[in-house]
Amino acid sequence: EAAVTQSPRNKVAVTGGKVTLSCNQTNNHNNMYWYRQDTGHGLRLIHYSYGAGSTEKGDIPDGYKASRPSQENFSLILELATPSQTSVYFCASGDGTGHSDYTFGSGTRLLVI
Amino acid sequence: GEKVEQHESTLSVREGDSAVINCTYTDTASSYFPWYKQEAGKSLHFVIDIRSNVDRKQSQRLTVLLDKKAKRFSLHITATQPEDSAIYFCAPGGAKLTFGGGTRLTVRP
Repeated sequence: EAAVTQSPRNKVAVTGGKVTLSCNQTNNHNNMYWYRQDTGHGLRLIHYSYGAGSTEKGDIPDGYKASRPSQENFSLILELATPSQTSVYFCASGDGTGHSDYTFGSGTRLLVI
Repeated sequence: GEKVEQHESTLSVREGDSAVINCTYTDTASSYFPWYKQEAGKSLHFVIDIRSNVDRKQSQRLTVLLDKKAKRFSLHITATQPEDSAIYFCAPGGAKLTFGGGTRLTVRP
């Protein structure tokens, strides 16, 4: 079954440390997305990608980098984690046609202390 | 960029009644209008969508209405059941979706 898998499910990081969140999809979708979800803000787009080698800034990219080394994998990188980046992060994939739904991963709960 | 609002952050209905969740958007270029559901502690999954070339779509107990002139679309759930309790997000756009803040629907027994 096609799916989006995120790892880790939970992560505790120290302020100033580097954090990498990983996402793998078996949908063969061109597009992949990273969102964060905070109470009162819904989901906000951090970075997205149209295919291997491409990354684009979303609405709140500051403090985050992204990497898309292959069709299947899309990573979100926090080079210097801060407590304000404590959140739940969701990865999603989409076929990029502009009229079909996304498939979401199960989410990564990140706590920065 | 696109600004998406769900003005009702919470909605409570009695089991068996209907529920209506509204969404407004600003980008007239939006061509795709999906709704997502998030149950407590879980991820989001797709519920129903509508494209810009129609103004109504029904799937079992769910109906989506689109008013492009008013830049508004709504999710109607009839004969609500306890399992309908969740947060519902609208996400208009195209290849890139912008999510509203969510409406928490509670279905009371």
